[in-house]
Amino acid sequence: DQQVKQNSPSLSVQEGRISILNCDYTNSMFDYFLWYKKYPAEGPTFLISISSIKDKNEDGRFTVFLNKSAKHLSLHIVPSQPGDSAVYFCAASISAGGTSYGKLTFGQGTILTVHP
Amino acid sequence: NAGVTQTPKFQVLKTGQSMTLQCAQDMNHEYMSWYRQDPGMGLRLIHYSVGAGITDQGEVPNGYNVSRSTTEDFPLRLLSAAPSQTSVYFCASSRRRVGNEKLFFGSGTQLSVL
Repeated sequence: DQQVKQNSPSLSVQEGRISILNCDYTNSMFDYFLWYKKYPAEGPTFLISISSIKDKNEDGRFTVFLNKSAKHLSLHIVPSQPGDSAVYFCAASISAGGTSYGKLTFGQGTILTVHP
Repeated sequence: NAGVTQTPKFQVLKTGQSMTLQCAQDMNHEYMSWYRQDPGMGLRLIHYSVGAGITDQGEVPNGYNVSRSTTEDFPLRLLSAAPSQTSVYFCASSRRRVGNEKLFFGSGTQLSVL
């Protein structure tokens, strides 16, 4: 049972345009969401996060949007740069309470390629 | 800053062999965890620890053992390797277990079981 899904295995974008990566989740208990970026032969690195009490969080070129009613979040990268080419994972967690708290559940990842 | 260090980077095993993947962090993090990454599956939690002497199972614990005798180290043991354990393994740590803490990952161990 995949509780966090990234249905697009790959995305190709021209440099300077917007990249939109999508993520859906099924567990309504998730209340914190994160995006990680992974280059080949490296471990994932934290990119940006959002709490369920917000619907938007920005950090420079990166913005994450959360639609709780649709159980959907998206990562926008504007403008996209060739150095953004990587695998992007979304992840979700339950921030407190119960036996599941503190564990991150990851999506399958989306390979982003930004062409010069 | 070393962060999270994993060794070895690559390993080839024969079915039935045992080995230990090493993980060390120098950030005095309370929480450590092991994930495996498989194509189309994302990262799946194997085991985690909330402090020295305390470990628990994640989503895919079968075939793996862990222990945490110190804050810094969290080794992952494969008792009898199987081809299904061919994967990339990542160790990660965070300050605390709380779900809004970001994880810091090591660079991974690529394991092949023949």
